[in-house]
Amino acid sequence: AQKVTQTQTSISVMEKTTVTMDCVYETQDSSYFLFWYKQTASGEIVFLIRQDSYKKENATVGHYSLNFQKPKSSIGLIITATQIEDSAVYFCAMRERYNTGNYKYVFGAGTRLKVIA
Amino acid sequence: GGIITQTPKFLIGQEGQKLTLKCQQNFNHDTMYWYRQDSGKGLRLIYYSITENDLQKGDLSEGYDASREKKSSFSLTVTSAQKNEMAVFLCASTTGTAPYAEQFFGPGTRLTVL
Repeated sequence: AQKVTQTQTSISVMEKTTVTMDCVYETQDSSYFLFWYKQTASGEIVFLIRQDSYKKENATVGHYSLNFQKPKSSIGLIITATQIEDSAVYFCAMRERYNTGNYKYVFGAGTRLKVIA
Repeated sequence: GGIITQTPKFLIGQEGQKLTLKCQQNFNHDTMYWYRQDSGKGLRLIYYSITENDLQKGDLSEGYDASREKKSSFSLTVTSAQKNEMAVFLCASTTGTAPYAEQFFGPGTRLTVL
């Protein structure tokens, strides 16, 4: 079975700085997809960014980017110029294939980010 | 765009009671999911469904039943609520079986068992 591990439980950073959140994964699949989601204090969960395993270039969306290191099975989330509203819990997830050809997600435990003014 | 609605927002039950949570989506997505999130923890998959009338067990299906009678709706039943059980149940959906498709989440139902 596939596994996603986020070892950082909580991170605090000053506003306008850059933060990196770590995520490592285990998979037997040769082709896979990695996702980052954000859960705000209200409980809302939104999709942020995705990395396709066959792509060498790191994905970037707005002030979110990924540090994809395939040999290390690592997919870090980088947030540049952090803002107070970036304070949230961030989940790393992988889409796992079933024999039926269908997919489900495996989530990490999450990293809580606090951005301080 | 679309939206996922979950009812009720808060659910308070008694020990041993059977409780039903409902989820509706208007994305016209094929696949729907139920997750449980305990306080300060990650998401654990209870059930998912790839199409109407299909049900697939997740890692946490014991103690739960699910129903997908329409493409747009997915219900979860706690078959016998456990005392002191407190968690948020999240419904999600995604389009088809494309492996790169992201999930869209509902706002959650917060369960408290007295």
